[in-house]
Amino acid sequence: GENVEQHPSTLSVQEGDSAVIKCTYSDSASNYFPWYKQELGKGPQLIIDIRSNVGEKKDQRIAVTLNKTAKHFSLHITETQPEDSAVYFCAARRGLLTGGGNKLTFGTGTQLKVEL
Amino acid sequence: NAGVTQTPKFQVLKTGQSMTLQCAQDMNHNSMYWYRQDPGMGLRLIYYSASEGTTDKGEVPNGYNVSRLNKREFSLRLESAAPSQTSVYFCASSVAGTIYEQYFGPGTRLTVT
Repeated sequence: GENVEQHPSTLSVQEGDSAVIKCTYSDSASNYFPWYKQELGKGPQLIIDIRSNVGEKKDQRIAVTLNKTAKHFSLHITETQPEDSAVYFCAARRGLLTGGGNKLTFGTGTQLKVEL
Repeated sequence: NAGVTQTPKFQVLKTGQSMTLQCAQDMNHNSMYWYRQDPGMGLRLIYYSASEGTTDKGEVPNGYNVSRLNKREFSLRLESAAPSQTSVYFCASSVAGTIYEQYFGPGTRLTVT
């Protein structure tokens, strides 16, 4: 089955700096890669996603890049703010035609702390 | 529009007791999921239901059963709770087809002593 590795497990940055979180996946049939943000005491919430036919996607201060050859994808947050402090999860999903259903395999999470 | 709701929010069980975690969604989604979240292990899929009337095992199904009661509701049952089932449980739902986003509930924190 799919295996998703996520690094680092904790990340501390100064407000205004950039943060980068990296994930690698094992299944070359995976074609959808979402990123979720989880605030304390809440369920995860989708913040950005990318499909395998695209190399980069941007939404204001967040961006995701995908390297299919190397099987890794990254989340980039620029101009970090205290409200960006949370746990971030990457995930990967196999395509419907390869029997994936809509099952996501999650990474182990990154605790991001933005310090003033 | 409440999204995905879960009950209870917190629960403490003794080893061997049984309980059912309830989940409901009001977004007319076809697919529903149960995950558990443990420190350092991310979210792991327990069971999922691609559509009303179907259920399938996920990555960690042992010790659990599920029921897709109707399109809105998907329950998770622990027949004989064990300390290893201490975790935070999340329910999620999604539209079927090519729209992949999963919407998560607020979670149930379960402790088994």
